[in-house]
Amino acid sequence: AQKVTQAQTEISVVEKEDVTLDCVYETRDTTYYLFWYKQPPSGELVFLIRRNSFDEQNEISGRYSWNFQKSTSSFNFTITASQVVDSAVYFCVFDLGRLYFGRGTQLTVWP
Amino acid sequence: DTGVSQNPRHKITKRGQNVTFRCDPISEHNRLYWYRQTLGQGPEFLTYFQNEAQLEKSRLLSDRFSAERPKGSFSTLEIQRTEQGDSAMYLCASSLVVSRSYNEQFFGPGTRLTVL
Repeated sequence: AQKVTQAQTEISVVEKEDVTLDCVYETRDTTYYLFWYKQPPSGELVFLIRRNSFDEQNEISGRYSWNFQKSTSSFNFTITASQVVDSAVYFCVFDLGRLYFGRGTQLTVWP
Repeated sequence: DTGVSQNPRHKITKRGQNVTFRCDPISEHNRLYWYRQTLGQGPEFLTYFQNEAQLEKSRLLSDRFSAERPKGSFSTLEIQRTEQGDSAMYLCASSLVVSRSYNEQFFGPGTRLTVL
């Protein structure tokens, strides 16, 4: 069975700090996708980034970056120079056709 | 255009009543998914359709739950004899799947169900 673990339940930072959200997953499959979704207080899930299991290249997209390490089954997500509008619940998601969500990390960015 | 829409956005009902939710996916998307999200948890998969065919159902989908997608466009999720444990946010998502490749799921705003 697939499993996604987000050990951090809540994180609080002050605006402009960098913050990293951790994610560890378990699977026996060799082909899969990983995502990060954001759920702001409005409730709608917003897609942020994706990575497939064949590509361990880490990338940066604006203030977002991610660190995918297949050897440790980790897919961590970093927000640089956080802003108050980044306050939301962040979900690490594993995709095998259907999505498997972690429990989420509540990020609060204080002004 | 528009993204995925869901109606109603909120539903309050009494235990034992039946409720029905509707999801309109992004047009041309051939897959439609239903998820349930309870407080403090991530969404959990319920079922999905490829066009009008229901291809997979989670064990979470008890026999009180039924979903349809009669013409391969919109979908309905019905809960019969609601229980307080059914209180949750019900999320719909759609995607366009052409082959076994990446298919981003686009989520609707959800229907929040409260069973009194």
